[in-house]
Parts: sequence; C-alpha cells; structure tokens
Amino acid sequence: DVKVTQSSRYLVKRTGEKVFLECVQDMDHENMFWYRQDPGLGLRLIYFSYDVKMKEKGDIPEGYSVSREKKERFSLILESASTNQTSMYLCASSLGQYLLNTEAFFGQGTRLTVV
Amino acid sequence: AQTVTQSQPEMSVQEAETVTLSCTYDTSESDYYLFWYKQPPSRQMILVIRQEAYKQQNATENRFSVNFQKAAKSFSLKISDSQLGDAAMYFCAYRSARRRRDNYGQNFVFGPGTRLSVLP
Repeated sequence: DVKVTQSSRYLVKRTGEKVFLECVQDMDHENMFWYRQDPGLGLRLIYFSYDVKMKEKGDIPEGYSVSREKKERFSLILESASTNQTSMYLCASSLGQYLLNTEAFFGQGTRLTVV
Repeated sequence: AQTVTQSQPEMSVQEAETVTLSCTYDTSESDYYLFWYKQPPSRQMILVIRQEAYKQQNATENRFSVNFQKAAKSFSLKISDSQLGDAAMYFCAYRSARRRRDNYGQNFVFGPGTRLSVLP
C-alpha cells in the first residue's frame, strides 16, 4: 500500500516563525502536492512538484515555498507564519505519467495553528 | 482553468437508505478523470471511486456508484444502504488527461466538499 506520511498531526507556531511541514511517500511517485483545506473552500493547491527539484505554483502560493531535493520528500515552508495561515495542510502524491488514471494518495494532514 | 462545484454543503441520510451527492465541473477538455474522495473524522482522505471520461459505463464499487453525464458535466455519487461509517466529508475531484509538454501528469482540482451525516 502507498503510504504518505506527514511529520506532524498538530502544530502550534508563533507569528513570524519559519515553519517547515514535511511529507514523505514510499511509492516512488513522481508527483507530489501540497493542499490547504479550509471549511467551505475545499482543497486548494499551494504547490505541485512533478519531479525532483521541479515545482509549479498552485492557486495560493503566496507566503509559501517548497523544496524537493529527493523524490520521496516534499517540504512546505512558511517563510514567516501569519495567523491567516492557520489551516489544515494536506500532502498527496501520485504517479506522474500522463497516460495513467491514477488517484492521489494523501497523508493524514497537519492542523497548523499560528498564534 | 477547471472548476469543480458541489452545491450541497451538508446532507443527511437515514441508515440503510440511499443518498446522492451532486458534483458538476467546468472544462473545455474532452479527456479527463473524475474521482470521489471520502474524508472521515480521522482526516485520512480515501478514494471512493473513479471514472474515466472516455468510458460511457458508470463506475461502481460495492455500495457506491456514480452517474456520469459528460454532456451535462455532472458526476454524482450514489451511496446505497448507507451505514454509520459512511458519515464523512465527500470531495469530488477532476484531473485533466491532457498531455503536458514534459509528459508529466496534471494536478487535481477539488470541489468544496459535502458533509454527509448518517442518522441511526
């Protein structure tokens, strides 16, 4: 079974802190994603990485950056955390080839609170 | 850009009854994939069912089935014989099958979700 693991389920950080959210997958997937989940808004894409060191901005990249130095690991960075970044963060991965109808596999989510 | 709409923020169903969750999407593409995901209180997103747009036959997985209407851009989920364990947020998702220049797959676009309650 595919496993996507996020480093923390709950995180409390102070305004202005630099925050790292880590995500690791064990199925050699090319694609990895970071989504933000807010009530009534569903999942919104922050960043998408289609291979090592390759990334694309999603719908809401402002205030975030990402790093993908190894295929299995995709990190989301909040450069200077703000209270409006309090949210649930979901990491996902999938196979990358465009011909495959492959679903996204998700981590268990990190609920981040910025105080 | 593609968008996915779920017009029912909340729904409820009696245990053992049938419920249908609605999803519509907007796209100019002809090849794509559609998914329904379930997110229970544990927060773990689980794939419920998937549909390829080129297939006319509606997908079925045990008690879960879809009504895929390509012309209407509609993709509803029917849950039969509802169980207490079906209570969750349900998200509809779209993935383009369009080939990127770099040959990689496209990202996923999600709807806002429908919260389903199952009443005993």
